[in-house]
Amino acid sequence: SQQGEEDPQALSIQEGENATMNCSYKTSINNLQWYRQNSGRGLVHLILIRSNEREKHSGRLRVTLDTSKKSSSLLITASRAADTASYFCATGAQGGSEKLVFGKGTKLTVNP
Amino acid sequence: GAGVSQSPSNKVTEKGKDVELRCDPISGHTALYWYRQSLGQGLEFLIYFQGNSAPDKSGLPSDRFSAERTGGSVSTLTIQRTQQEDSAVYLCASSSPGLSGNTIYFGEGSWLTVV
Repeated sequence: SQQGEEDPQALSIQEGENATMNCSYKTSINNLQWYRQNSGRGLVHLILIRSNEREKHSGRLRVTLDTSKKSSSLLITASRAADTASYFCATGAQGGSEKLVFGKGTKLTVNP
Repeated sequence: GAGVSQSPSNKVTEKGKDVELRCDPISGHTALYWYRQSLGQGLEFLIYFQGNSAPDKSGLPSDRFSAERTGGSVSTLTIQRTQQEDSAVYLCASSSPGLSGNTIYFGEGSWLTVV
């Protein structure tokens, strides 16, 4: 099964609202990353948080990591219609190869 | 080029035919990945190349799938005797582990339709 599992599977909000997406994983990790995908094509890296970090910010993005609960959250503040996309978390296993394992993603719709 | 380049961007093939998908990674990136994504689904890991190490082929779904990476750069994913369930977007990505914290950079994908 997938290492990372996002929830909810789908999220619909109004422009200006905050969007929170969660990711859970199963094994020990080196880092956790969030990616964004528009229209089923290439993914774009958003943010990486290392296993020894608890919170990280990048613009309107805030990521938290709780290694004791094996979970992470991605918060998008003051959402815009252009934030509409699918968001995936990906984990890099501790002590393993560099390959990233992706979850199934959260489909975010921001209504204008 | 500056990014990961994949070709073809779209391919329609008849069931039973072989297809080859090409990936040109970012120059200097030692790691290369292939993922598959079916409509509305997550990314399924297929294969991972890192430098001169033996590739991690643990994600290849059957022996009809194979991939090679020549000269540590360009990679080709080959699907033999295609089946309808092979229809998906095939995404290639590359990275330079250690320099970018293993951030991987994706191409735009090759959309394969088997009819």
